[in-house]
Amino acid sequence: DTEVTQTPKHLVMGMTNKKSLKCEQHMGHRAMYWYKQKAKKPPELMFVYSYEKLSINESVPSRFSPECPNSSLLNLHLHALQPEDSALYLCASSLNRGRGSYEQYFGPGTRLTVT
Amino acid sequence: AQSVAQPEDQVNVAEGNPLTVKCTYSVSGNPYLFWYVQYPNRGLQFLLKYITGDNLVKGSYGFEAEFNKSQTSFHLKKPSALVSDSALYFCAVRDTDKLIFGTGTRLQVFP
Repeated sequence: DTEVTQTPKHLVMGMTNKKSLKCEQHMGHRAMYWYKQKAKKPPELMFVYSYEKLSINESVPSRFSPECPNSSLLNLHLHALQPEDSALYLCASSLNRGRGSYEQYFGPGTRLTVT
Repeated sequence: AQSVAQPEDQVNVAEGNPLTVKCTYSVSGNPYLFWYVQYPNRGLQFLLKYITGDNLVKGSYGFEAEFNKSQTSFHLKKPSALVSDSALYFCAVRDTDKLIFGTGTRLQVFP
């Protein structure tokens, strides 16, 4: 099973709201990723977790707060977002980082609209 | 730094004809190269990868890619295009713990 699930599929939030995106995989992958994707553009890496520890933060604003409660779950907490944060947020996972098979498996994404 | 380039924003092909989506790379060291496909409002789906070995890599849905070291290219190919292959295609290269994506090529297959 090469499935990564994400909830919710769609989210509309105001600039003062707090919300969370959730990602789950049961493939035994130990690396998990958050990406932001604008329309017709490639995904932009935001965060990387390896063995439940944050290993990469691509200078993402603090209004985005990632969390990895266990090896299967990845959350992205959102607070005080701006309209320009509206995008498709993709979660991905891979077997490991740094060597060997490195393909990432992506979830379907959460379409976020900030009003 | 590692990078990939996709020189064509869009490729148009008639159904049943062969298709090629181009990708060139710039890396230091051995390249780890990937192709992904994205259908509208969906996540990316992994198609194939080149790590080492045979220069012709076979992947999902009848796609294959040819690694050419002298031309630093990794073009995606399919012998006979289907209308359902219409989508956005991304080439990517591994850079330590990250994937670096190309700008994407929209493939349109006409009936």
